[in-house]
Amino acid sequence: SQQGEEDPQALSIQEGENATMNCSYKTSINNLQWYRQNSGRGLVHLILIRSNEREKHSGRLRVTLDTSKKSSSLLITASRAADTASYFCATVRGSNYKLTFGKGTLLTVNP
Amino acid sequence: GAVVSQHPSWVICKSGTSVKIECRSLDFQATTMFWYRQFPKQSLMLMATSNEGSKATYEQGVEKDKFLINHASLTLSTLTVTSAHPEDSSFYICSATFPNTQYFGPGTRLTVL
Repeated sequence: SQQGEEDPQALSIQEGENATMNCSYKTSINNLQWYRQNSGRGLVHLILIRSNEREKHSGRLRVTLDTSKKSSSLLITASRAADTASYFCATVRGSNYKLTFGKGTLLTVNP
Repeated sequence: GAVVSQHPSWVICKSGTSVKIECRSLDFQATTMFWYRQFPKQSLMLMATSNEGSKATYEQGVEKDKFLINHASLTLSTLTVTSAHPEDSSFYICSATFPNTQYFGPGTRLTVL
């Protein structure tokens, strides 16, 4: 079964606006990661947040993790048309690096 | 650094034939590689964990005799789809771990006619 569930499934915004995507999971985790996938391409690793961390920043990205609610959010600030892609959260439960992906959010940034 | 390549990037084959997909880590050695399958507009589903020098570990529901995985060296893992059928048409993506981050290949689009 899917470990991660993202919402919304699709999000359409204007360039310059912020985009927020959420991810929920069901079991305890070692860390949670966010990936981006452009249509028909491979995945690009965006950010990793460990289970003992609550917030992390990387450029225009801000990730939060609430282990009590088993949820995470990805915020992209000042979005650009080039941010148009699918975004997936993925959880790691043990030390074997196996990733369990959520269903993803399709983000469209309109110029 | 940490580049993973896949070959071919796309392949079309006839039903009943076998197709081999290669996954290479170009600038690092990876003792563990993973194979995923992604159907259109869906998420990635882990198929198997490939460990160099040992048998692959398959996820529940994945037929090991249909999806043959070989990890002959620290930089190469191959996935062979045997006796492919149209329902095997999908996007196959590999990843390699270094040192504790997974780096993904660009994917291989398989279409079985």
